[in-house]
Amino acid sequence: TQLLEQSPQFLSIQEGENLTVYCNSSSVFSSLQWYRQEPGEGPVLLVTVVTGGEVKKLKRLTFQFGDARKDSSLHITAAQPGDTGLYLCAGSPWGTGKLIFGQGTTLQVKP
Amino acid sequence: SAVISQKPSRDICQRGTSLTIQCQVDSQVTMMFWYRQQPGQSLTLIATANQGSEATYESGFVIDKFPISRPNLTFSTLTVSNMSPEDSSIYLCSVDRGIDEQYFGPGTRLTVT
Repeated sequence: TQLLEQSPQFLSIQEGENLTVYCNSSSVFSSLQWYRQEPGEGPVLLVTVVTGGEVKKLKRLTFQFGDARKDSSLHITAAQPGDTGLYLCAGSPWGTGKLIFGQGTTLQVKP
Repeated sequence: SAVISQKPSRDICQRGTSLTIQCQVDSQVTMMFWYRQQPGQSLTLIATANQGSEATYESGFVIDKFPISRPNLTFSTLTVSNMSPEDSSIYLCSVDRGIDEQYFGPGTRLTVT
């Protein structure tokens, strides 16, 4: 069974601070995605990383895919209250079309 | 992009009854997925539904408890049968958008009393 370990599970920070969320596995994935979910809504895709060592930036968010395609990180610079939400990493085992989700990180950014 | 709607958005049901959740997509898609999510927690895949074939269930989920229909390329239903309080959860459908990415519906919040 392929698992994704996401950490930390809870994070409460002040506006303006930086943070990093980690997503680790012992298995190799064809791609990794990061989603953000707000209460009462479904997850919304933020980014997909497909190449080992890849780095993608989305405004204040930086996503990395590990060289071995087993881990990923999400770094947020100068967090804002609007970043509050549940962040989920998800990986696709090769050739399945399915997604396996990490446990999720609940982020609270206080003004 | 795909627009996905789910009905009902929420429901409160008595134990022993069944609820059918509908998922409608505004475009034709090959693969549809059903997930379960406890509030504030992660998603667990229940099954994959392809049009014209039986749904494929993940370990721990069985067809008798969660029957799924996929009558065409834009619609699917998930039934939660013989419900117990442990079935209280958010149920989400999603569709494959390519490159292993998925679009998600808004979810159905189910409470079983």
